[in-house]
Amino acid sequence: EDQVTQSPEALRLQEGESSSLNCSYTVSGLRGLFWYRQDPGKGPEFLFTLYSAGEEKEKERLKATLTKKESFLHITAPKPEDSATYLCAVRGASGGSNYKLTFGKGTLLTVNP
Amino acid sequence: EPEVTQTPSHQVTQMGQEVILRCVPISNHLYFYWYRQILGQKVEFLVSFYNNEISEKSEIFDDQFSVERPDGSNFTLKIRSTKLEDSAMYFCASMGDNEQFFGPGTRLTVL
Repeated sequence: EDQVTQSPEALRLQEGESSSLNCSYTVSGLRGLFWYRQDPGKGPEFLFTLYSAGEEKEKERLKATLTKKESFLHITAPKPEDSATYLCAVRGASGGSNYKLTFGKGTLLTVNP
Repeated sequence: EPEVTQTPSHQVTQMGQEVILRCVPISNHLYFYWYRQILGQKVEFLVSFYNNEISEKSEIFDDQFSVERPDGSNFTLKIRSTKLEDSAMYFCASMGDNEQFFGPGTRLTVL
């Protein structure tokens, strides 16, 4: 069974203070690791897909990296509007052609001005 | 930009009543999903739907649940006899090539 563990559960940063969020995973044949942003009461918003170890993706102040066991979401010089819950999800080979996602509990990021 | 839409945004119902949650996926997508998120917990997979049939369902998706694509645009989740523990956010998602895009969710409250 695919498993995703995210840490820390919550992170409080000052504006401009860079940091990283961790996503550790166990999956039978990774078919994609996904990062989403979720604002309170809203649906997950797609950020990145990573497929193989060593791959990196960037978008504005966010950069996602992938190893064989974990992924990091690096946040450089965050702003208050980056405050949200960041979700990590995996798609494994056991899902076959159904492409279902297994999510972690998320990291609640708060950026103070 | 195309997006997944869901209605209603909030549904309040009495235990034992039937509810139907509605979704309009992105128009050229072929894979459709329902997930749920109980307050403070993970987003959990319920069911996937492709080529007009269920392709996989989780243990949560028991006989009380059903899905349907009644026309070319809508995708619905029906809960036949709601229980208190069905209270959650229900998210519809659709996928074209590789990424799943989620709707804003329906908050279901069962009293």
